[in-house]
Amino acid sequence: DQQVKQNSPSLSVQEGRISILNCDYTNSMFDYFLWYKKYPAEGPTFLISISSIKDKNEDGRFTVFLNKSAKHLSLHIVPSQPGDSAVYFCAATADNAGNMLTFGGGTRLMVKP
Amino acid sequence: GAGVSQTPSNKVTEKGKYVELRCDPISGHTALYWYRQSLGQGPEFLIYFQGTGAADDSGLPNDRFFAVRPEGSVSTLKIQRTERGDSAVYLCASSLYPIATDTQYFGPGTRLTVL
Repeated sequence: DQQVKQNSPSLSVQEGRISILNCDYTNSMFDYFLWYKKYPAEGPTFLISISSIKDKNEDGRFTVFLNKSAKHLSLHIVPSQPGDSAVYFCAATADNAGNMLTFGGGTRLMVKP
Repeated sequence: GAGVSQTPSNKVTEKGKYVELRCDPISGHTALYWYRQSLGQGPEFLIYFQGTGAADDSGLPNDRFFAVRPEGSVSTLKIQRTERGDSAVYLCASSLYPIATDTQYFGPGTRLTVL
């Protein structure tokens, strides 16, 4: 049973436009959510996170939105840049889980110049 | 400063052999995690250490998998009697403490191929 799902395996956007990546979760014990970005042959790198007590967190071009009632979060990138092309993973953890991360399957973002 | 390093970067072995994968975490990080990423999927948790002890090994798929962190720094993931299904990228991560607000920093991974 996949507790964290990213239903879009890929997304293509034009440079300068907004990229929206979506993630759904099923485990109501999750209380902290993260986005990681991964380039080929590298490990995932942390991008942005949000606690369950918030519904929005912003860091420069990146904003994460959390809708707890729908068990849904999204990552907005605006404006998108070609260097943003990578695989994006949504992850979640619970306060009592020792920071063990449960990842979604990833979405490959391609930003076209 | 130095990030998380993993050796080897690639390992090719034959079915039934024993392999060891090494992880050097960021200096001073008390928590160390192992994940496995199969092709087209997200990383899956295997085990994490707080200091020298395995605090949660619930993700290890079976008793062929074992990990140690004897001095609370470097960790080794050991796989006995490898099977073709063990082929994946094995990722190691470390964080200062095992709490949600402490970022996990990942190494580049070891790509294991079992022929």
